[in-house]
Amino acid sequence: GQQVMQIPQYQHVQEGEDFTTYCNSSTTLSNIQWYKQRPGGHPVFLIQLVKSGEVKKQKRLTFQFGEAKKNSSLHITATQTTDVGTYFCAGHSNYQLIWGAGTKLIIKP
Amino acid sequence: EAQVTQNPRYLITVTGKKLTVTCSQNMNHEYMSWYRQDPGLGLRQIYYSMNVEVTDKGDVPEGYKVSRKEKRNFPLILESPSPNQTSLYFCASSLSDRQGGYEQYFGPGTRLTVT
Repeated sequence: GQQVMQIPQYQHVQEGEDFTTYCNSSTTLSNIQWYKQRPGGHPVFLIQLVKSGEVKKQKRLTFQFGEAKKNSSLHITATQTTDVGTYFCAGHSNYQLIWGAGTKLIIKP
Repeated sequence: EAQVTQNPRYLITVTGKKLTVTCSQNMNHEYMSWYRQDPGLGLRQIYYSMNVEVTDKGDVPEGYKVSRKEKRNFPLILESPSPNQTSLYFCASSLSDRQGGYEQYFGPGTRLTVT
């Protein structure tokens, strides 16, 4: 079946370091969405990418959609404690929304 | 305030005792769905509904039922819960999930424990 692989599962960083999570799809996606789930909370929509090669920025967050529309990444520059949580990608393909397993961002004390 | 509500937020029950988790949205969304979240497995879709009286199976529908009699409500029914259904459940809604893809609005979650 269709899958979206998301890596890494966890990433530990010192505050101020950068963070990146990657998603790779087995099929071409029509678009991809990114969500953030704070500890104890529910997923909250961050952004949607639609076009091949698209890059969008939200302050310290940079989102990319690959040229082949099969992969995507989220990069956070200079992490802060407020960035803690799990980041999910979700790709649309054949009228289905396929979720990655998420990357948990942990800030080391 | 636009929101998705779920009840109850926490539930501990015993094997075989039927239960219903309610979900309601006030955004007039056509599309609603249920997910379960388990450590390391991300979000897995249980059932979804494209509109009133239209429901379909997601990735993990076994042991669950749903109904969509009204646009705003989408209850999740466990006829005979088992311990492997212990999980965190989320209801979500969006505008019609055609190929365009609309953002999902999630409820606060229901933590279910089946002993």
